[in-house]
Amino acid sequence: SQTIHQWPATLVQPVGSPLSLECTVEGTSNPNLYWYRQAAGRGLQLLFYSVGIGQISSEVPQNLSASRPQDRQFILSSKKLLLSDSGFYLCAWSGDRGGDTEAFFGQGTRLTVV
Amino acid sequence: AQSVTQLDSQVPVFEEAPVELRCNYSSSVSVYLFWYVQYPNQGLQLLLKYLSGSTLVKGINGFEAEFNKSQTSFHLRKPSVHISDTAEYFCAVSPSGGYNKLIFGAGTRLAVHP
Repeated sequence: SQTIHQWPATLVQPVGSPLSLECTVEGTSNPNLYWYRQAAGRGLQLLFYSVGIGQISSEVPQNLSASRPQDRQFILSSKKLLLSDSGFYLCAWSGDRGGDTEAFFGQGTRLTVV
Repeated sequence: AQSVTQLDSQVPVFEEAPVELRCNYSSSVSVYLFWYVQYPNQGLQLLLKYLSGSTLVKGINGFEAEFNKSQTSFHLRKPSVHISDTAEYFCAVSPSGGYNKLIFGAGTRLAVHP
């Protein structure tokens, strides 16, 4: 069966520090991968998605970047965190078949920038 | 482009009462429709989805939703709620062609009281 791992679960970082959140998927190949952010009291906003190694699409301009160095690895990064980067970050994957549109989510990372 | 509006940010209800969480969407292309549930500090879990066929969709935990194309709605219902249903519920759409990009609503917090 497929599983998705996301870490760390919680993170407190000072303003201006770098960020690296990692997500890995097991039990499937060539997944579509996504990073979402959920700000307090708000819905989920799609930040990045990837349909293959090295292929990243950004949905909104921001202080973050994403990379996909391996088929089942998706990394969210920042060189210098801002207070506004605080939130709950969720990684997700879905199959690459046309009719298979269900997304499976990791447990999330709660990031607090202080 | 697609958008999703969840008409209620919070819905309080007593245990064993029925509940309806409302969702309207906007899209210029055909879409798939989803409802996800999020328990505190966790990722999202799929409740149900509509891809095609019967407009009444049954999901896990006794939930069901009805797709209404003319009203562009996909309301979620449960005839009798339990305390354990207390969570945040997200409606989402994904274009039926192309990549599986989920567009989420802002969420509805369901609070079930004894």
